[in-house]
Amino acid sequence: DQQVKQNSPSLSVQEGRISILNCDYTNSMFDYFLWYKKYPAEGPTFLISISSIKDKNEDGRFTVFLNKSAKHLSLHIVPSQPGDSAVYFCAASTGNQFYFGTGTSLTVIP
Amino acid sequence: ETGVTQSPTHLIKTRGQQVTLRCSSQSGHNTVSWYQQALGQGPQFIFQYYREEENGRGNFPPRFSGLQFPNYSSELNVNALELDDSALYLCASSFGQGAWETQYFGPGTRLLVL
Repeated sequence: DQQVKQNSPSLSVQEGRISILNCDYTNSMFDYFLWYKKYPAEGPTFLISISSIKDKNEDGRFTVFLNKSAKHLSLHIVPSQPGDSAVYFCAASTGNQFYFGTGTSLTVIP
Repeated sequence: ETGVTQSPTHLIKTRGQQVTLRCSSQSGHNTVSWYQQALGQGPQFIFQYYREEENGRGNFPPRFSGLQFPNYSSELNVNALELDDSALYLCASSFGQGAWETQYFGPGTRLLVL
């Protein structure tokens, strides 16, 4: 049972434009949400997180939005850079258990 | 500061065998979590160890077991290997057990079961 879903396996964006990665979840008990970035042959790297008591969190070019009523999470990257090309995983937690989506492969075209 | 390291990087086993994977946590971290990532899937939480005690477990059978040592390094043991156990096994360490504690992942151990 996939509690966290990333329905877009891949996304291509021109350099300088906005990248929007989406994530849906089913468990209303999730109280913390995270995005990770993964390059080939490396482990995932933490990018940004948001608590369920917030609806937005920014860190430089990265902004995460949380819509609890829709059980939807999104990551905005503005402006997108070629170095952002990677697989992005969203994750959600309840307590100390983490549930990951299947990932979206982002390609930023120079 | 040394990051999270895992050994071995690759491993081939046959069905029914047992395997031990190792993880050295980042300096100062007392919590280690293990994940299984099958091809084309996201990481799946196996279990977490906090100060040498199991502190949460995902939906994995008992043949997946672990250990955390006084220096906070950790082992994942899998008995009676099955073909479906073929996957990338990731460990992640953090300063504490809360979800807000940033997890630092190692590069993983790729296990192939034939």
